Amino acid sequence: GAVVSQHPSWVICKSGTSVKIECRSLDFQATTMFWYRQFPKQSLMLMATSNEGSKATYEQGVEKDKFLINHASLTLSTLTVTSAHPEDSSFYICSARDFRLAGEYEQYFGPGTRLTVT
Amino acid sequence: GENVEQHPSTLSVQEGDSAVIKCTYSDSASNYFPWYKQELGKGPQLIIDIRSNVGEKKDQRIAVTLNKTAKHFSLHITETQPEDSAVYFCAASRTDSWGKLQFGAGTQVVVTP
Repeated sequence: GAVVSQHPSWVICKSGTSVKIECRSLDFQATTMFWYRQFPKQSLMLMATSNEGSKATYEQGVEKDKFLINHASLTLSTLTVTSAHPEDSSFYICSARDFRLAGEYEQYFGPGTRLTVT
Repeated sequence: GENVEQHPSTLSVQEGDSAVIKCTYSDSASNYFPWYKQELGKGPQLIIDIRSNVGEKKDQRIAVTLNKTAKHFSLHITETQPEDSAVYFCAASRTDSWGKLQFGAGTQVVVTP
C-alpha cells in the first residue's frame, strides 16, 4: 500500500518549452501533496504544498508563475515547469499524505522525475 | 522556521559493524521525525520514524532514538550489509504545518565488504 507514482521518470526538453510532471497516489487518497526538487548530492528542498481543490502554497523563493501546480483530484497533482531553462534541470520528487487518517504522519514519496533542459 | 542539521556527511563502515547518524532540530514544536533512505536516481524511502511521545523505536536492524530535551535524534543501523549503502536523510515536521518536512543535508553511507 501507499504507492506514489510519477510520470515521466525522465524528460529532456529544449530551453523555452514547458514540461508537465504528474504525481499520482495509486492506492490512497492524497489530501495533501508536496513537490520537492533535488540537485545532485544535495538534500530535498520543498517547493510547494498542494491541497486538493485549493491553490498551492509556495515556499519562499519559488516562483509560482514558473512552477504551476494543480491538485485537481484526490489522486493526482501536476507540476508544470513553464519556459524551462537549463538552470531548471533537476530531480523533481513529489510526496503525498492522507490527513483524514487519524494519527497518520507518514509522507510517501514518488520515484522522482529527472528533468534536463538543453 | 525549522532547521535540521545532520552529521556526518559521509560514513564508511565495514560490513557487520554499526552505523550511527545524528540529527539536531531547532523547533521545539516539531513532533514527527522520519528517516529516509535514498538510492541513486530514486525517490526517498521511509525506513523508520518516531513521534515525540516516544523515546526509542526499533525495527530489526534499524533503531531511532529521540531526546526531546536536547532536540536531537539518531539513526542506528546494526550488522550493516552492502545493501545498506545509500544516502540517508533525517527530517522533522510538526502537525500544524500540513506536515511539511524539513530535511537534513543527508549522510552518504558506504558499507564495504
